[in-house]
Amino acid sequence: DAGITQSPRYKITETGRQVTLMCHQTWSHSYMFWYRQDLGHGLRLIYYSAAADITDKGEVPDGYVVSRSKTENFPLTLESATRSQTSVYFCASTLGRDQPQHFGDGTRLSIL
Amino acid sequence: EDQVTQSPEALRLQEGESSSLNCSYTVSGLRGLFWYRQDPGKGPEFLFTLYSAGEEKEKERLKATLTKKESFLHITAPKPEDSATYLCAVQADSNYQLIWGAGTKLIIKP
Repeated sequence: DAGITQSPRYKITETGRQVTLMCHQTWSHSYMFWYRQDLGHGLRLIYYSAAADITDKGEVPDGYVVSRSKTENFPLTLESATRSQTSVYFCASTLGRDQPQHFGDGTRLSIL
Repeated sequence: EDQVTQSPEALRLQEGESSSLNCSYTVSGLRGLFWYRQDPGKGPEFLFTLYSAGEEKEKERLKATLTKKESFLHITAPKPEDSATYLCAVQADSNYQLIWGAGTKLIIKP
């Protein structure tokens, strides 16, 4: 099925470790986004990408790294995980920057 | 500062009891306002986009409306399957990034 998939769905790790969250979309959408969702907050943008090899910071980029070598993949890496990065992470994509974004089902990340 | 506020935080209704959710926004120039539905353990699912004051969109029991300061999501004769968290986001003229509200959790009791 076409769509956007995130992996893993659940991840538990320890502070200081590196962890990578994967996002893959089959629509050939140009734009891709990473958000985090925490209780009491709206979705907050971490990084986004307008095309392969083009990425830019969002509202809360500190502690995160992204890459986009292929249009369909947009991995998010936490270089040295901290407890404050415990959250649910969502990947989204869209064809045009003023079009609706379509979301994956998220990765629930716990950092102990 | 661009801002989106949703109210109430939570709303409990009986099946068939109509009501409205509110999304108030402050943005320098509105490019679009988006409504999404989010079920537990899932990503947000797109419902509507509204672009200008006075615009309305409908889908089944849901109707979204827009003024210059706020949007309403009206739910008519809701069913238990309408239970979800409803999210609102705005996109400003100056910046294509979405600004999200914290959501309204809607519970419809049979």
